[in-house]
Amino acid sequence: GAGVSQSPSNKVTEKGKDVELRCDPISGHTALYWYRQRLGQGLEFLIYFQGNSAPDKSGLPSDRFSAERTGESVSTLTIQRTQQEDSAVYLCASSSTGTSFSGTQYFGPGTRLTVL
Amino acid sequence: GNSVTQMEGPVTLSEEAFLTINCTYTATGYPSLFWYVQYPGEGLQLLLKATKADDKGSNKGFEATYRKETTSFHLEKGSVQVSDSAVYFCALRANTGFQKLVFGTGTRLLVSP
Repeated sequence: GAGVSQSPSNKVTEKGKDVELRCDPISGHTALYWYRQRLGQGLEFLIYFQGNSAPDKSGLPSDRFSAERTGESVSTLTIQRTQQEDSAVYLCASSSTGTSFSGTQYFGPGTRLTVL
Repeated sequence: GNSVTQMEGPVTLSEEAFLTINCTYTATGYPSLFWYVQYPGEGLQLLLKATKADDKGSNKGFEATYRKETTSFHLEKGSVQVSDSAVYFCALRANTGFQKLVFGTGTRLLVSP
């Protein structure tokens, strides 16, 4: 595709509900990253996929957060039993390789999650 | 661990003024350094990058030089335009491991006519 796409663009949910966020990377990009940006803060790394495996999950803040990826395509980030502190913009990025020093990460527009 | 510190915003300038946004980093080894920009209503875009000491990244009139001795990567532009109003993020990527980016908190630039 032309770029990284994410859906939905906005999500409002009630505390305790589960949410799924979707990311479509650039076609052919093997590496996929999820980041979170809370209000007034920088982006925090959540998880990295190389193909459909996740060698680095170190940024997932709790076991309520999980993610999966289908081959070298779509990824979903799931947050179970949402809490108000989960409110943030969730950004997805992809790159042609996760291990090359020259791989540039291209970002999607983000999903703004609001937990009431 | 690795970290990036950048100046607080907002930075408010008049058109054609000189811009500097400071960025310093803490990292082991020799990271790659980046500036990303987020225009209003748009996604994060790579502005420029430098992969080794003394490299200068440049794009759209913006420049930043990788200074290992001062662990800095300050963003500069000689003459800003209203269209440069955006949030600017400094980031690093370790050249070992899995290539995740570590970001600063962002600096909002507001340019008035």
